[in-house]
Amino acid sequence: ETGVTQSPTHLIKTRGQQVTLRCSSQSGHNTVSWYQQALGQGPQFIFQYYREEENGRGNFPPRFSGLQFPNYSSELNVNALELDDSALYLCASSSHLEQYFGPGTRLTVT
Amino acid sequence: AQSVTQPDIHITVSEGASLELRCNYSYGATPYLFWYVQSPGQGLQLLLKYFSGDTLVQGIKGFEAEFKRSQSSFNLRKPSVHWSDAAEYFCAVGARGGSNYKLTFGKGTLLTVNP
Repeated sequence: ETGVTQSPTHLIKTRGQQVTLRCSSQSGHNTVSWYQQALGQGPQFIFQYYREEENGRGNFPPRFSGLQFPNYSSELNVNALELDDSALYLCASSSHLEQYFGPGTRLTVT
Repeated sequence: AQSVTQPDIHITVSEGASLELRCNYSYGATPYLFWYVQSPGQGLQLLLKYFSGDTLVQGIKGFEAEFKRSQSSFNLRKPSVHWSDAAEYFCAVGARGGSNYKLTFGKGTLLTVNP
């Protein structure tokens, strides 16, 4: 059974640019959630996708958007990057109440 | 809205000593509770979970946690710590908000293990 994978591992972008992060969910999981973990903080919920539809959103602006594909993989897109967007972005897949996390993408905005 | 408090930012223990990491939650209904561990630069690994039933739950790597409804707590314990347990530990509560289900995390407790 393949676990949750994310790409890329690290990314450096300039303020104002756009970025796309990718996540492959664990086999059999139809729900993907994205979290942002700033340095020294716990992860914060960005949004969740279930069967290709956004299924709930945390306190993040619309420039954070996402997609889920028929194979349940997902993308997180962030437009107009700001310095405060620098963080570890975690993807979690689930089929019920347990969420399994990928290794994360470390985004640095300069 | 749900919230999680981990009162201890950093704990240092000696290898072989016992460990207890504290977690308090706030949630109006019966909570789903989790402990995750994160090694430096890594994602989160699920240690254990509580959904219902027996309030003492066993997890991986010799960890256990006890749910105490009266104290709104879900403390993590291990009888004898190993150097490889050094990591950051996060407590989380799972809750439904409309149609979605999300985890709310505490700020974490960093565990240092002295030889």
